[in-house]
Amino acid sequence: AQSVAQPEDQVNVAEGNPLTVKCTYSVSGNPYLFWYVQYPNRGLQFLLKYITGDNLVKGSYGFEAEFNKSQTSFHLKKPSALVSDSALYFCAVRDMGGATNKLIFGTGTLLAVQP
Amino acid sequence: NAGVMQNPRHLVRRRGQEARLRCSPMKGHSHVYWYRQLPEEGLKFMVYLQKENIIDESGMPKERFSAEFPKEGPSILRIQQVVRGDSAAYFCASSLLNTEAFFGQGTRLTVV
Repeated sequence: AQSVAQPEDQVNVAEGNPLTVKCTYSVSGNPYLFWYVQYPNRGLQFLLKYITGDNLVKGSYGFEAEFNKSQTSFHLKKPSALVSDSALYFCAVRDMGGATNKLIFGTGTLLAVQP
Repeated sequence: NAGVMQNPRHLVRRRGQEARLRCSPMKGHSHVYWYRQLPEEGLKFMVYLQKENIIDESGMPKERFSAEFPKEGPSILRIQQVVRGDSAAYFCASSLLNTEAFFGQGTRLTVV
């Protein structure tokens, strides 16, 4: 069965420093990978996706993510964090070798950027 | 192009009543997903629907919960005989086939 793991409940980073939010996945076929952000009392907003092609994908608000097939990871990164980046971040995967290709989410990582 | 619309945004029900949550997908999207989010928890998959079909309901409780996505009209998540443990935020998302999903603002259900 497909699964997504976000090993860190919370990541703390100082404004201006680089940030990384980790994600690993388990699928039976090829993965389609996604990152979303959620602000308090709001729905999830799509940030970026990996379907095929270059392992480094760029998304909204200066975020990027690197697909690593051998490590089954898709970590979210940003070179310089902003206080306004503070939010809950979710990694998600579709297992294209699965029975239904449903979209499954990790448990979320709370990013706190200190001024 | 309107996004995913969920209503109501807030719903209060007494124990034993029925809750109906509605979701209108983005224009052109024929795939709808429902998720439940509890405080301090992640997003739990409930059900995946295509027009008039349930594709995957493996995350939905077997009793009291049902979902539909008719040919015309919004998708409906129905919870019968609600209990306090059903209190949560319920999110709907829609997509084209196998693409990223776009989320509504959620319905916050409170059972009193």
